[in-house]
Formats: sequence, C-alpha cells, structure tokens
Amino acid sequence: GIQVEQSPPDLILQEGANSTLRCNFSDSVNNLQWFHQNPWGQLINLFYIPSGTKQNGRLSATTVATERYSLLYISSSQTTDSGVYFCAGGHNYGQNFVFGPGTRLSVLP
Amino acid sequence: GAGVSQSPRYKVAKRGQDVALRCDPISGHVSLFWYQQALGQGPEFLTYFQNEAQLDKSGLPSDRFFAERPEGSVSTLKIQRTQQEDSAVYLCASSFKRDNEQFFGPGTRLTVL
Repeated sequence: GIQVEQSPPDLILQEGANSTLRCNFSDSVNNLQWFHQNPWGQLINLFYIPSGTKQNGRLSATTVATERYSLLYISSSQTTDSGVYFCAGGHNYGQNFVFGPGTRLSVLP
Repeated sequence: GAGVSQSPRYKVAKRGQDVALRCDPISGHVSLFWYQQALGQGPEFLTYFQNEAQLDKSGLPSDRFFAERPEGSVSTLKIQRTQQEDSAVYLCASSFKRDNEQFFGPGTRLTVL
C-alpha cells in the first residue's frame, strides 16, 4: 500500500514566524487532504488538494501530483496554530485513505 | 446535522466486555469510513461503506471487530470481548462519495481496563 512521510516530525516556532510542512507519497494519489488535529483531538479540514495550489487566510498548500508531494505553508504563525498536522491521501483504484505520521507544531508566545 | 457526530465521546470498558460505537454522518453523504487512532500516531483505516454496503473491511484488526450501516446512514462499530490493545480513539468520517473530501467526527475515546 501507499506509504506517507511527513517532515519535520516536530517543529517549534516563535509567534509570527513562517513555516513549511512537507508530505511525500510513495505512489500516486488522486485525493489528498491536510488536517489540523487540535488539542481536543478534533481533525479539522484545512485543504482538499489533489493537485495545484490553494490559499485560505494565513495558510496555503501546493500539491505536485507528478512528483508525489504536497507542501503546507503557515505564515505569521499564532499560538492557536499549535497541534498536529496530518496529510492523507488515497487513490480511487481501491487504495484506502492513508495518513502520514504527522508534524507536531508548537508556537510559542 | 451540520457535521459528523459520534457517541459516546468516551467509553471505559472492562476487558472482555462488548462495546458499540455510533456514527451519524453528514446527511446525504454516501461514503462512510471508520479509523482507529492510537496515541501519538496518525489515524489508520478500518472499514468503508458505500451506502449500506461494506465495500472494504481490510483494516479491521480481528474478527472481534464488526461494523454495520443497515440503512445507509447511521453506522455502528462493534468490538466484542475488548482487549487492552483496543484502547484508542475511533474516528468516523463521511464524504459525498469515496474520493471526495472527508469530514471527521470528534471521535470516541475507548479505554479498556
């Protein structure tokens, strides 16, 4: 099955800093999502982005499907951005939706 | 409803007890998924329904795990004879169809003593 890698595994930022999180897939996927899991465990949808670039406020994401990776950009980070960021993807030919191990982000005031 | 709901939010079971976890998907969503999330890890796929049909149960860890969605809406995940290794958060997600964006419920945290 598909393997998903995320980097870095842990990231500590000062409030106001920018960051880039990366997700690599071992095989092609045609549905890809980024999530933020808050301290209460809720998975919050950030982007559905099988390809291309999207932006939502301080967050943006880019997926290069041909090279099997996706990037999540966080600008002007805030303490409320803290938590774990997951990417996940699958393929419509029977591949289940597979999550990466996550990037744990801590934003310090 | 506005989103995916799950109940109970917390469940404590003694080893050997049976438990049933409920998921109410977003109205109109054809696809429903169950995931298991162990502490400190990403969610792992358990099973997938399209309407009432269980099309994939390859992620169920043992025959003690059983899921159903008899009317194509609400789903129940049942774990028989619970073991300590079953302790985890069980997440439910739904989507309009299989490869569309998935929306997750708040999860049920199961603790087996």
